[in-house]
Amino acid sequence: AQRVTQPEKLLSVFKGAPVELKCNYSYSGSPELFWYVQYSRQRLQLLLRHISRESIKGFTADLNKGETSFHLKKPFAQEEDSAMYYCALGYGQNFVFGPGTRLSVLP
Amino acid sequence: ETGVTQTPRHLVMGMTNKKSLKCEQHLGHNAMYWYKQSAKKPLELMFVYSLEERVENNSVPSRFSPECPNSSHLFLHLHTLQPEDSALYLCASSHVRGNEQFFGPGTRLTVL
Repeated sequence: AQRVTQPEKLLSVFKGAPVELKCNYSYSGSPELFWYVQYSRQRLQLLLRHISRESIKGFTADLNKGETSFHLKKPFAQEEDSAMYYCALGYGQNFVFGPGTRLSVLP
Repeated sequence: ETGVTQTPRHLVMGMTNKKSLKCEQHLGHNAMYWYKQSAKKPLELMFVYSLEERVENNSVPSRFSPECPNSSHLFLHLHTLQPEDSALYLCASSHVRGNEQFFGPGTRLTVL
């Protein structure tokens, strides 16, 4: 079965420090990868998708097919980035979410 | 209202009650989903509907019963729930099955 792994359940960094949220997937075809974010008391929402190659709120993610990874990065974390982050894989008619990483940005 | 809406936003029920959660999407999507979100399992897929037909049922207990009368509406009927069913229930939709999903705000369910 296709899988998405996020090895860290919780990641704590200090404000202004770089942050990297790891995501690995298992799929042999052409995947579509996404990052979703859920801020406290807000709905789960799409942060970015790999096909757009965009930067949202300072976050970027590059698809590395060789390493089957789609890590989310931001050079300088802000306190408002504290949230739950889910990596997701779309393949064919299926869509699977990873277990999520809770990012806590400390002042 | 645009996007995906869910009602009620909060629900408290006893173990012998029967209640229903409602989801409505105004995006013209053809696929709809129910998820359970709890501290134990952050995002657990329950049911998938595509063109009003149930295409996935992830070993969910029969005390949860979904209904999709049309492509815009999705219900989750609840009866004889257990306290461990207390969680945030999220509805989502996508243009077609497999595309990126758009989520509702969720229903916070507490079973006493």
